[in-house]
Amino acid sequence: GQNIDQPTEMTATEGAIVQINCTYQTSGFNGLFWYQQHAGEAPTFLSYNVLDGLEEKGRFSSFLSRSKGYSYLLLKELQMKDSASYLCAVRDSNYQLIWGAGTKLIIKP
Amino acid sequence: ETGVTQTPRHLVMGMTNKKSLKCEQHLGHNAMYWYKQSAKKPLELMFVYSLEERVENNSVPSRFSPECPNSSHLFLHLHTLQPEDSALYLCASSQDASSGANVLTFGAGSRLTVL
Repeated sequence: GQNIDQPTEMTATEGAIVQINCTYQTSGFNGLFWYQQHAGEAPTFLSYNVLDGLEEKGRFSSFLSRSKGYSYLLLKELQMKDSASYLCAVRDSNYQLIWGAGTKLIIKP
Repeated sequence: ETGVTQTPRHLVMGMTNKKSLKCEQHLGHNAMYWYKQSAKKPLELMFVYSLEERVENNSVPSRFSPECPNSSHLFLHLHTLQPEDSALYLCASSQDASSGANVLTFGAGSRLTVL
């Protein structure tokens, strides 16, 4: 079966750095997405990786290793507003999106 | 308005009621989706419409009935639901339904409680 694994919950301190990992086993691979979802709000697109390596976008970076079935989302200079759930999703060979259950990130002052 | 708008934001219904969820997108996208989001579970794809034709129906019970009258509007008609159907129902849209880099734009969801 197809599966996406990510930690259920993480806690970090304001101003620090946190890395949220995502591992996947899917039928084929056509890209990996990260979305952010604040409580009671819509998930919003953060990043897309289809080739190996690091994509940087301001305070957020996303890394992909296709050979290891692994990605991480790196958040730097954490702010209280970064408290949210972070969803990892992989598009498989049929262009279906396979979702992880999300990682709830709690930022403490 | 811009983006994807869902109404109502909250809905409480009995098991014998009939209600509908509405989704509207103002992005000029050609594909629209219904997802179910339950606590601590992955998003579950329910239906996909591309250019107003249903292209995906992931073994969803018949008590959920989608309708896509045009490329901007999507409905989810609900009848004789069960308590386990209580969840957040998310609507999303994208430029198309089949490309790899396809980014979904989500609405804020309709929180459904079935008593």
